This record gives sequence, C-alpha cells and structure tokens, in this order.
Amino acid sequence: KQEVTQIPAALSVPEGENLVLNCSFTDSAIYNLQWFRQDPGKGLTSLLLIQSSQREQTSGRLNASLDKSSGRSTLYIAASQPGDSATYLCAVRSGNTPLVFGKGTRLSVIA
Amino acid sequence: KAGVTQTPRYLIKTRGQQVTLSCSPISGHRSVSWYQQTPGQGLQFLFEYFSETQRNKGNFPGRFSGRQFSNSRSEMNVSTLELGDSALYLCASAQSPSYEQYFGPGTRLTVT
Repeated sequence: KQEVTQIPAALSVPEGENLVLNCSFTDSAIYNLQWFRQDPGKGLTSLLLIQSSQREQTSGRLNASLDKSSGRSTLYIAASQPGDSATYLCAVRSGNTPLVFGKGTRLSVIA
Repeated sequence: KAGVTQTPRYLIKTRGQQVTLSCSPISGHRSVSWYQQTPGQGLQFLFEYFSETQRNKGNFPGRFSGRQFSNSRSEMNVSTLELGDSALYLCASAQSPSYEQYFGPGTRLTVT
C-alpha cells in the first residue's frame, strides 16, 4: 500500500529565502506525482505534475524534482514571498489506484 | 475555460438527515474524483469515476454513495449523517484518471 510522507509538517521562513519541501513515498512504481497548494478553507491548486519518466518540472519560481528509485520528490521555491504562505501537498498515483496524498507542509513566509 | 464547480459551497445539516453534493468538471474532462478533508485525517479518497463507471472506491461506509452522469457531472450522497461527517468535500476532474487533477473549491458540510 502506497504511503506518502511530507517533512517538515510546518515551516516558517523570512521573505526572500529559497526553500525546499520534501515528499517521500514507499512504492517507487508510480505513474506520476503532483504538487498542490491549498489556502485555508479553499480547494487545491495544482502546481506541478511530474510523470514517472521525468526528473523535474519548472513553473516560474517553482521547481519540482523526482527521484523514483529513492522514492523522493522535492519542491523548490525560489525567493519566497508572503503570498506563498499556504499548505503544500504532494500526491502520488500508481497505476489504476487513486491519488495518495501526504499530510502536507504548512508554509509561513514572514515579511 | 471554467474550472471545477461544486454546489452548494456551504451546508448545515442535522444528524440523521441526508445530503447530496454536486460537482461539475471542467469541460471535456471525463474523470471525477471525490475526497473528504478533515483536520485530523487529512485528505481521504471517496470515489473515482470515469465515463460513468466507478473505477475506485475508498474505505468509507455504505452511507456514502456516488454516481456520474453522461455529461460527466457527478453527485455524491451521504445518508444518515453523523457528526463525524462534518468536513470539506472536494471534487477533482481530469481528462482521464491518470492525467493532471484539477480541484474545485469544495463543499463545507457541517453536521449538528
């Protein structure tokens, strides 16, 4: 059974800092991995999707990497801003099974 | 292109009642998934539909049911509501199940 872990559970950084969020999964036979952002009480916003054949994806200040063999993904946020404050979730899809989510990392960027 | 829409956005029900939540996917998307989100349990998978067929079902009691219509819109129903059913219910759509998932704003259900 696939399990997804995100460490740390919470993170507080000063504005302008570069940061890395971590996601690990137990079964490396994944189809794809998706990073989401969630603001309090809102739905999830898709940030990046990485297919199993890819090593990384970039969108603006965000860069996500995938190392299937070690069961890890990282989300790199460059030059963080207060507007980046949110909960970041990673989710993994394996074959025909539904997305399995981690519990998220709650990020606070202090001005 | 309009995003995923969910109705109603907020709902207050009494224990024992039943409720129906609706999800309209992005135009052209045929896959719809439902999740329950609570502070303690995080995101838990409920159902996944593709072209009106249920592909996957999460580990929830039979009080939770769903369906998908020919226009890809989906509904989920919870009967005999319990206090523990209070949660944010999220719907996601995709062109097909293994494609990028797009979430709606959710329906906040409060059971009193």
